[in-house]
Amino acid sequence: AQKVTQAQTEISVVEKEDVTLDCVYETRDTTYYLFWYKQPPSGELVFLIRRNSFDEQNEISGRYSWNFQKSTSSFNFTITASQVVDSAVYFCALSVTTIQGAQKLVFGQGTRLTINP
Amino acid sequence: NAGVTQTPKFQVLKTGQSMTLQCAQDMNHEYMSWYRQDPGMGLRLIHYSVGAGITDQGEVPNGYNVSRSTTEDFPLRLLSAAPSQTSVYFCASSYSITRGGPGDEQFFGPGTRLTVL
Repeated sequence: AQKVTQAQTEISVVEKEDVTLDCVYETRDTTYYLFWYKQPPSGELVFLIRRNSFDEQNEISGRYSWNFQKSTSSFNFTITASQVVDSAVYFCALSVTTIQGAQKLVFGQGTRLTINP
Repeated sequence: NAGVTQTPKFQVLKTGQSMTLQCAQDMNHEYMSWYRQDPGMGLRLIHYSVGAGITDQGEVPNGYNVSRSTTEDFPLRLLSAAPSQTSVYFCASSYSITRGGPGDEQFFGPGTRLTVL
């Protein structure tokens, strides 16, 4: 089965704390892609990162970093020195290929992150 | 570029009414899809299209119809609305499975919030 699990439904931290959002996935594909999207209170979906299953290098972008571990089927997201503007719902997603060869995204349930001043 | 646009932003229907949610993109993307977002369930794929004239079902297609007569437009039709269809609907697009591959970033519209009474 193709599945994404974000076990943390809600997280609340104080500004400037570091926070890690967990993502565990299941897939039978040998080649796949993982994504993180941010959904701020305004409701739109903002693309954050894409990771190829063959590339296990961690990635850092400013205060954001991602840890991809195939051995544990995890793709965790860390925000360092969190800010109030980071408050949002964060979705992890797995790209799977249908029988027809099309791409579709399988989303996790989302983690609502609240950063308190 | 306007990106992916959706209309209307909000809609209230009565049970049994029909309506069409509009989605358009001006990026010449071949792949378009519809998702619904429900609390605690992330986004789930309703229907998708890999090009004009080609559509297929996603994870939760019942109660919805789609067609793709042009590259730009991908409307979603509710034939007889039910309260279970109360949700936020997102349209998304990406280049194509052949040009962009399964790792291609999907661009999301702003969403339509639908309430069925």
